[in-house]
Amino acid sequence: AQTVTQSQPEMSVQEAETVTLSCTYDTSESNYYLFWYKQPPSRQMILVIRQEAYKQQNATENRFSVNFQKAAKSFSLKISDSQLGDTAMYFCACLLRGGSEKLVFGKGTKLTVNP
Amino acid sequence: SAVISQKPSRDICQRGTSLTIQCQVDSQVTMMFWYRQQPGQSLTLIATANQGSEATYESGFVIDKFPISRPNLTFSTLTVSNMSPEDSSIYLCSVVTPGLYQHFGDGTRLSIL
Repeated sequence: AQTVTQSQPEMSVQEAETVTLSCTYDTSESNYYLFWYKQPPSRQMILVIRQEAYKQQNATENRFSVNFQKAAKSFSLKISDSQLGDTAMYFCACLLRGGSEKLVFGKGTKLTVNP
Repeated sequence: SAVISQKPSRDICQRGTSLTIQCQVDSQVTMMFWYRQQPGQSLTLIATANQGSEATYESGFVIDKFPISRPNLTFSTLTVSNMSPEDSSIYLCSVVTPGLYQHFGDGTRLSIL
């Protein structure tokens, strides 16, 4: 079974600065996807970014980028030019292809952006 | 992406009663899921809602407590039965769209008195 670990329960960053959230995962499968989701206090789960395991190139979405280290099973999220609206819980998740397509989530990191 | 409507958005219920949560998607999807998020916790998968057949439940969740319907490819319901305060959680439905993007409804915040 796959597991996802987020070792930072809470983090804070100053507005306009850069922050990196850590995530490690464990799976014996070779075909999988990795995700970062954002959950603001409104409780919506918002997809931030996705990485296919077979792609070596790191995914980017505007101010959000990942550092995907497949051998180390590491999948960190970098947020550049942090904004107050980035304050939220961030969840890392793993989805196995070719099976049930269900997500396994980490415990989350609470990010606070300070003005 | 998909537009997912989940109802109700919140409810306060009495112990021992049941509540049905609805999830409507604006396009046909094969995979639909129901998750539970207990206070201050991460998301845990309850079950996969299968169209035309019984839902597939994860360990620790049973059909008698969380019956699920999936009458077509755009709609599903989750019922939380015989509720107790331990069932106070956010319940979320999600769908997998082509390309394997998983999107979530806005969630139902359930409080049991």
